[in-house]
Amino acid sequence: KAGVTQTPRYLIKTRGQQVTLSCSPISGHRSVSWYQQTPGQGLQFLFEYFSETQRNKGNFPGRFSGRQFSNSRSEMNVSTLELGDSALYLCASSPTLAGDETQYFGPGTRLLVL
Amino acid sequence: AQTVTQSQPEMSVQEAETVTLSCTYDTSENNYYLFWYKQPPSRQMILVIRQEAYKQQNATENRFSVNFQKAAKSFSLKISDSQLGDTAMYFCASASPGAGSYQLTFGKGTKLSVIP
Repeated sequence: KAGVTQTPRYLIKTRGQQVTLSCSPISGHRSVSWYQQTPGQGLQFLFEYFSETQRNKGNFPGRFSGRQFSNSRSEMNVSTLELGDSALYLCASSPTLAGDETQYFGPGTRLLVL
Repeated sequence: AQTVTQSQPEMSVQEAETVTLSCTYDTSENNYYLFWYKQPPSRQMILVIRQEAYKQQNATENRFSVNFQKAAKSFSLKISDSQLGDTAMYFCASASPGAGSYQLTFGKGTKLSVIP
């Protein structure tokens, strides 16, 4: 099976712009989670989607949003970018079968906000 | 809320030797999972090993094994016969369905260097 894919891999934006990141989960996985990784804050949970519904959301401002499509692909959007949004954004998918909630990660999207 | 603590920011080990990375966690849940992930310089997060809290037997995956002490809320990772390719950041993480989904809570990580 192909792994989790994320596009684009690298992105440079300027303050005030908005950005959309895409994630395609492993075939058959229905849950997609997003995490932000920065040197200062480490790995922080953004949100999780299952069957097109947001099941859980981390402590991030409303500028961060996401959605999931019927094929389980997910997108996250960040509006009005700030310098502090520069980070590695990781997407993970999970089969969500009883007894196996393991999350498998994609390669990440590196976002640089100038 | 869950918390995960990794008290060793950096460690080094000679090639072929054994090293143990420490992790403690705190959770009020009875049903939870624990994980070790490896993040090499490529930044790809790779699952190393997982442990279900209800299982008393420690998980093993080839050269990787854990010492799961439930009462002490400790979950250490032992790497045997260390190889140069083991050089990476190692993150301990916990997850439970208490919040309606299995979100991962990560520790700050331990940077492991394997020395030739």
